[in-house]
Amino acid sequence: EAGVTQFPSHSVIEKGQTVTLRCDPISGHDNLYWYRRVMGKEIKFLLHFVKESKQDESGMPNNRFLAERTGGTYSTLKVQPAELEDSGVYFCASSQERSRQGAYTGELFFGEGSRLTVL
Amino acid sequence: SQQGEEDPQALSIQEGENATMNCSYKTSINNLQWYRQNSGRGLVHLILIRSNEREKHSGRLRVTLDTSKKSSSLLITASRAADTASYFCATVGRNAGNMLTFGGGTRLMVKP
Repeated sequence: EAGVTQFPSHSVIEKGQTVTLRCDPISGHDNLYWYRRVMGKEIKFLLHFVKESKQDESGMPNNRFLAERTGGTYSTLKVQPAELEDSGVYFCASSQERSRQGAYTGELFFGEGSRLTVL
Repeated sequence: SQQGEEDPQALSIQEGENATMNCSYKTSINNLQWYRQNSGRGLVHLILIRSNEREKHSGRLRVTLDTSKKSSSLLITASRAADTASYFCATVGRNAGNMLTFGGGTRLMVKP
């Protein structure tokens, strides 16, 4: 079974440009999360989708960030216009909160991240 | 402010020794999870301990949880060079859905 995949693995752009990051969750996982780790700081929550709906976007830093999950499958995170402080690693994770037997699992499956460098 | 804080920030040991990492958090939790990240790779889930559990084992991993002290520890026994990685604790708050709040991580180096 394929894991969570993210694209691109690394993106280098100039301040003011636009970047779109993509995440393909594990097939069948309704929950999709975006996190990011800015250099030297902790991993921080950005937002949570349940299928195509935004369940919680309290971690989105500002309106330069736009996340979508049309159709409830893959998700994109667009940064427009990018600023220097947006540099970091953006992680996507997916989960199916409950197993087929109904047991709570709680485990998130992470992609390898998209490293964004804004010059 | 940071929910989980880990101690130590970095740890260097010899292969075969045990490694202990600690995590403290601030608010009431539903569960606490430990993840590992190899350099340049994604986070891999290691173990989950619920708020009503005190200890859990998985292979060479032992996790404890003390909700009265709001702290957890991860013990890796008989460490191997392949255990070299960063280890993160993450908490799920009682009303936080499944949102994880991460600590800063412990960088573990196991020397062969």
